[in-house]
Amino acid sequence: RKEVEQDPGPFNVPEGATVAFNCTYSNSASQSFFWYRQDCRKEPKLLMSVYSSGNEDGRFTAQLNRASQYISLLIRDSKLSDSATYLCVVNGLTGGGNKLTFGTGTQLKVEL
Amino acid sequence: DAMVIQNPRYQVTQFGKPVTLSCSQTLNHNVMYWYQQKSSQAPKLLFHYYDKDFNNEADTPDNFQSRRPNTSFCFLDIRSPGLGDAAMYLCATSRSGHIYNEQFFGPGTRLTVL
Repeated sequence: RKEVEQDPGPFNVPEGATVAFNCTYSNSASQSFFWYRQDCRKEPKLLMSVYSSGNEDGRFTAQLNRASQYISLLIRDSKLSDSATYLCVVNGLTGGGNKLTFGTGTQLKVEL
Repeated sequence: DAMVIQNPRYQVTQFGKPVTLSCSQTLNHNVMYWYQQKSSQAPKLLFHYYDKDFNNEADTPDNFQSRRPNTSFCFLDIRSPGLGDAAMYLCATSRSGHIYNEQFFGPGTRLTVL
């Protein structure tokens, strides 16, 4: 079983739609989680941190279910500029630093 | 603006010819990381430096080495690149390990091996 699993998509949605991505992780001891966004041929950029039961930032809502080892990202009122790959990331501590374990990403295409 | 800078952005090398990728940061973070991201795959941590302490991932091939001469700079050396080493190499930095610390990524170096 992969450490972090995501549906690769692509999700093709019309502008203004609500879309949800799911992610599962295998290590029940994991404590912190992120959603990163990656545009084509660019570096990953932090979209949201996911703490405790989840959090909201504008049109974006992240939820965490520790019992089910499940993380979700909800995007409301999708914009064309939301088109990207969304990476689910589990954060762990290693050798004084942090080890980010990435899922393979879910591709979103927002269309007119 | 404080940032993570990678040079070059694109690197072409020949099979077996050593190559060095560079990363610098103005964030004054004490942890620097190197990731490898192959096409359509997730970024994969190769190793990181916590200050001067080098931490290698168990499955990182010996072909990959790193140097950190000072806080600001970190280098990735590929001693004998193979065709399978063609990838985007991402440098990232963070403050010392705390479970909620964010990592800041540079723009990456795209390596082509001929």
